[in-house]
Amino acid sequence: ETGVTQTPRHLVMGMTNKKSLKCEQHLGHNAMYWYKQSAKKPLELMFVYNFKEQTENNSVPSRFSPECPNSSHLFLHLHTLQPEDSALYLCASSQGGRVPYEQYFGPGTRLTVT
Amino acid sequence: QKEVEQNSGPLSVPEGAIASLNCTYSDRGSQSFFWYRQYSGKSPELIMSIYSNGDKEDGRFTAQLNKASQYVSLLIRDSQPSDSATYLCAVSLRPSGSARQLTFGSGTQLTVLP
Repeated sequence: ETGVTQTPRHLVMGMTNKKSLKCEQHLGHNAMYWYKQSAKKPLELMFVYNFKEQTENNSVPSRFSPECPNSSHLFLHLHTLQPEDSALYLCASSQGGRVPYEQYFGPGTRLTVT
Repeated sequence: QKEVEQNSGPLSVPEGAIASLNCTYSDRGSQSFFWYRQYSGKSPELIMSIYSNGDKEDGRFTAQLNKASQYVSLLIRDSQPSDSATYLCAVSLRPSGSARQLTFGSGTQLTVLP
């Protein structure tokens, strides 16, 4: 699947590090999302950007900071993470607007916090 | 009460049989429903979307929606071992803010036995 790409695919970081996850979509969509998927838990929506404007922040700790410079790119900046933040981080995109159009996922970044 | 509920499984069916996956949701005002397939270690892949009561068929897959009973199901005909995966139900619940938010169930693990 090349419609939504994510880098890096794997990341190991210490609790004092700062790193960023990158997502790029090539589908002409206007909405982008960050999800967290932990073992044995449902997908958790973290952030939503619609036409570059952040419209959802589902009580995510401030150590996660999103950035959406344009409709094709989405970043998740990470700092002072905790071991419980280890998870698969997924980016998705869809058409913009209020209707919940189909969301397409990237391959994810497997994050391990040591 | 979970907002989107699925049997976690595992559900095992023999090759060639029909696999039936069910999902219930809590908000009667929900409007959009999606089924995703997730192979182990991979990201979710969209299979079907359904917005109206009734059946929607796409190849071997049929999605069924009953808004009055608040359930949505996915039937997989002529199941193949390659269908072995976790199937995620996603629902757009009645929004308090953005309509773009999807809530995912925990997924049903399906195994198709050769």
